Amino acid sequence: RKEVEQDPGPFNVPEGATVAFNCTYSNSASQSFFWYRQDCRKEPKLLMSVYSSGNEDGRFTAQLNRASQYISLLIRDSKLSDSATYLCVVNMRGNYQLIWGAGTKLIIKP
Amino acid sequence: GAVVSQHPSWVICKSGTSVKIECRSLDFQATTMFWYRQFPKQSLMLMATSNEGSKATYEQGVEKDKFLINHASLTLSTLTVTSAHPEDSSFYICSATIGLLQETQYFGPGTRLLVL
Repeated sequence: RKEVEQDPGPFNVPEGATVAFNCTYSNSASQSFFWYRQDCRKEPKLLMSVYSSGNEDGRFTAQLNRASQYISLLIRDSKLSDSATYLCVVNMRGNYQLIWGAGTKLIIKP
Repeated sequence: GAVVSQHPSWVICKSGTSVKIECRSLDFQATTMFWYRQFPKQSLMLMATSNEGSKATYEQGVEKDKFLINHASLTLSTLTVTSAHPEDSSFYICSATIGLLQETQYFGPGTRLLVL
């Protein structure tokens, strides 16, 4: 089983719709969680950290479910510019290593 | 702030040649730099961790004699792919951290290597 698993997609979503995807992690000792966005042939960029209580940044909402060991990302009112691959990243506190999911590809269609 | 650059952004080379990739932190001193490799449709895989003035720590399965890492200063790390082969063709990305905030990694734009 992979340490961090994501549905590769692609998710084809009409502009303006709401889309959500999950990421599961296998190590219950994981402490920090992130969503990164990666555009084609570019480096990943931090989208948002995921806090235990859940957090929101504009149209983006991230949730953490420790009991079921998954995190989620919700995008409301999706824009064409949201088309990208979304990478789930997990870290254990005190350990520098980030464990990366393979990403979920999102395509927003006009 | 916290800008990381990589050079070159694209490399095409013949099999058997060596390729050097530079990673620089432009506006901060990086405590630690990381080298990743990403194959198409796959996740980033950490290759090695380097700290200024000390030997790099390689991940399991990464050949240290093939992927030479030099971290000469707090703002520069280099990765040399020696005797490159077509299977080394990949997207190589570096990142850097500041101080103890190692969870926050600042990524370079990546170097795409194609070995013919």
